Amino acid sequence: QVQLVESGGGVVQPGRSLRLSCAASGFTFRNYGMHWVRQAPGKGLEWVAVISYDGNAKYYADSVKGRFTISRDNSKNTLSLQMNSLRSADTAVYFCAKDVTISCGGDCPPAYWGQGTLVTVSS
Amino acid sequence: SYVLTQPPSVSLAPGKTATITCGGNNIGTKNVHWYQEKPGQAPVLVVYDNSVRPSAIPERFSGSNSGNTATLTISRVEAGDEADYYCQVWDTSSDHWVFGGGTKVTVL
Repeated sequence: QVQLVESGGGVVQPGRSLRLSCAASGFTFRNYGMHWVRQAPGKGLEWVAVISYDGNAKYYADSVKGRFTISRDNSKNTLSLQMNSLRSADTAVYFCAKDVTISCGGDCPPAYWGQGTLVTVSS
Repeated sequence: SYVLTQPPSVSLAPGKTATITCGGNNIGTKNVHWYQEKPGQAPVLVVYDNSVRPSAIPERFSGSNSGNTATLTISRVEAGDEADYYCQVWDTSSDHWVFGGGTKVTVL
């Protein structure tokens, strides 16, 4: 069955960097676009970034553009999110999620989500 | 940027029909997707492309979209349907995904 396991979260000081990973299994990873979505404590869902199935298209929320980079390694079935210049407002649970259907260029909704990894930005 | 507006909360008795709205400018021209999130769990896609249910989702969940309002309807509400529900669209003018603020459904 589909499994998405996020890792790399933790406590980090403002201005520092962190790299999140998402290990995918149970489906043909290279065929699906992938998303990062976050949820601050007690708040709603906020889309962060999406990458197309082939990695050629990447889109970012305005709040993270220029600081975060989404990438994928289809040979290792892994999705990543490099987060630089972290701010307290980036504190959240970060979910990775796979598209509902194959071969999407970033505009298909996420159908299956991992359990998330908590990132806390604090001095 | 595109904005989606949801009511903060909906409360109803078991067996009744829950109607959750998602308002947006000409949202009827977009595909709307709906998620259910229960405390401590990952979100679950319950309706996509306005009215398509994933195979594991009960028929009690249905969606519609027209004009400036999309709607998620939950028929014969059960205690297990208590959750936060979010709508989502892809905004082609900005190439951004947008979530509504979420609606908390409480089954009395």
